[in-house]
Amino acid sequence: NAGVTQTPKFQVLKTGQSMTLQCAQDMNHEYMSWYRQDPGMGLRLIHYSVGAGITDQGEVPNGYNVSRSTTEDFPLRLLSAAPSQTSVYFCASSYFGVAGNTIYFGEGSWLTVV
Amino acid sequence: SQQGEEDPQALSIQEGENATMNCSYKTSINNLQWYRQNSGRGLVHLILIRSNEREKHSGRLRVTLDTSKKSSSLLITASRAADTASYFCATDLTAGGTSYGKLTFGQGTILTVHP
Repeated sequence: NAGVTQTPKFQVLKTGQSMTLQCAQDMNHEYMSWYRQDPGMGLRLIHYSVGAGITDQGEVPNGYNVSRSTTEDFPLRLLSAAPSQTSVYFCASSYFGVAGNTIYFGEGSWLTVV
Repeated sequence: SQQGEEDPQALSIQEGENATMNCSYKTSINNLQWYRQNSGRGLVHLILIRSNEREKHSGRLRVTLDTSKKSSSLLITASRAADTASYFCATDLTAGGTSYGKLTFGQGTILTVHP
């Protein structure tokens, strides 16, 4: 059981380039989300999805696109990378259970934009 | 803006001592969660406390919630070197019973436990 898998682990981009961070989960969770973590800022929600075909914006969505064509996958696309997008990105998935909502995080993707 | 504010930002203790971290938030919540993050790794869910609960325990962890003061605390008893990590509180603002995993995180407390 792999849980939440993110790729790549590390990436260096030039300003203006585009790329996609991949996220896959094998727990059949309906809910998936992307966060970014900057030093001293905690995690901030970029986009989230409550099921295949449904996405919505979080706190910091500008410069990012998402889609959810399957339950398992939730890729995050950087359209035109900027140095301000240098960050650590975490994908998360979750279910709703009787005891509350446990959220499972991937190991993170370190992105540097130069 | 950050919903949660954590205090202290850094905490350094000896093995065997207790560690207490505090979290304050600004708006009404559905539940509050605590996570641990080891350096260079993802977040690991520790404990969730609902807005109608005041205290929860899980092993060496004790979490309290005071909704009147909009604050929570995480106590780790008999700390170990392996507890060294960053600890984050996260609030879930979703009304009603269903949460979509939309959490607002605090800035975290860096805990260092010396052997």
